[in-house]
Amino acid sequence: GAGVSQSPRYKVAKRGQDVALRCDPISGHVSLFWYQQALGQGPEFLTYFQNEAQLDKSGLPSDRFFAERPEGSVSTLKIQRTQQEDSAVYLCASSFGSRAFFGQGTRLTVV
Amino acid sequence: GQNIDQPTEMTATEGAIVQINCTYQTSGFNGLFWYQQHAGEAPTFLSYNVLDGLEEKGRFSSFLSRSKGYSYLLLKELQMKDSASYLCAVRSPSGGYQKVTFGTGTKLQVIP
Repeated sequence: GAGVSQSPRYKVAKRGQDVALRCDPISGHVSLFWYQQALGQGPEFLTYFQNEAQLDKSGLPSDRFFAERPEGSVSTLKIQRTQQEDSAVYLCASSFGSRAFFGQGTRLTVV
Repeated sequence: GQNIDQPTEMTATEGAIVQINCTYQTSGFNGLFWYQQHAGEAPTFLSYNVLDGLEEKGRFSSFLSRSKGYSYLLLKELQMKDSASYLCAVRSPSGGYQKVTFGTGTKLQVIP
């Protein structure tokens, strides 16, 4: 596609519900990053994939967060048993060289 | 660890020049990005500095001093549409790949 696509754009989840956030990177981009952005803050690193390999998951805040990229293209970030502090915008970025291209993000609100 | 500092907010007048500073202390360094982010939108790429000096691109310029761990973004002839957050991000080696770490962002308000 023309850019990085994320879905859904908005998600409202009840506390305790599981959610899955999808990222379609730019075709051919090897690197894929997930970031969490709270209101008024910069993006905080969550995890990194190089093709299908998850090389770094040090930023995932708890074991309720899980990410996968099974075929080296589409990635899914899953959050189990959501809590209010999970409310944020989740950004996905892909890159082939040094420059990363961001998707529009998924705004998650946990009520 | 990684530490990237930017002012939280700045205000400038339409038509003026504004400089947004960024200081960093990171484990390794392979480049510094500036991104612009309008409210509710994705960050968009502005510049990438790897070597020391000034890179000019239209109304926007970015400067880097690796020895001082310092960068700035210079915006000239400010327009109302430049009101946005400006994110400084550092690229550094981490476990076999290049990690990109962001600062908290500087919210710029352009006033008439």
